[in-house]
Amino acid sequence: GQQVMQIPQYQHVQEGEDFTTYCNSSTTLSNIQWYKQRPGGHPVFLIQLVKSGEVKKQKRLTFQFGEAKKNSSLHITATQTTDVGTYFCARNQTGANNLFFGTGTRLTVIP
Amino acid sequence: DGGITQSPKYLFRKEGQNVTLSCEQNLNHDAMYWYRQDPGQGLRLIYYSQIVNDFQKGDIAEGYSVSREKKESFPLTVTSAQKNPTAFYLCASSIAGAKNIQYFGAGTRLSVL
Repeated sequence: GQQVMQIPQYQHVQEGEDFTTYCNSSTTLSNIQWYKQRPGGHPVFLIQLVKSGEVKKQKRLTFQFGEAKKNSSLHITATQTTDVGTYFCARNQTGANNLFFGTGTRLTVIP
Repeated sequence: DGGITQSPKYLFRKEGQNVTLSCEQNLNHDAMYWYRQDPGQGLRLIYYSQIVNDFQKGDIAEGYSVSREKKESFPLTVTSAQKNPTAFYLCASSIAGAKNIQYFGAGTRLSVL
């Protein structure tokens, strides 16, 4: 249906290693959003992707939207301890103004 | 400071008791939302409201109720019918429209005594 699947559920990396989380949908998405939630905190909006094949960068973070607009990824280069948290993708519900959130990927960075 | 304020930060509920979680925003957003988050889980939508005096059920509305009498306020009541209320509750708001970027409050942690 309108769910989005996120993998992996957990990821432990050594500081300085790269990290990628993937978001997949069985249906075409109008857009995809990414949020970050620090431990004990609340989700904070990172970015929205709208166009097929779109790539956006925010410092060490690279966001991609698939050509078919059914998947998206978030890649972090050279992780730092400040990257710790859970990363969620979210899609708009068709015909409505609310979001479906993925299950999230919890990132742990080992110093 | 513009933003979303949730209170209280921590709340304890006795069995059979109704409790109300507050959510106030001064962002002039039309839409407001309530989510429930269980440990290690994603966000599940409880209720949402696109405009004053109107609200819709989300995926897990049973045992909860809301009101939207003012644009700035969207309180959530966890009723005694909600048998497993222990969770982290997040309120969010957004400008109604296609972009629908959501801004979240700091959350309320509800526990059962």
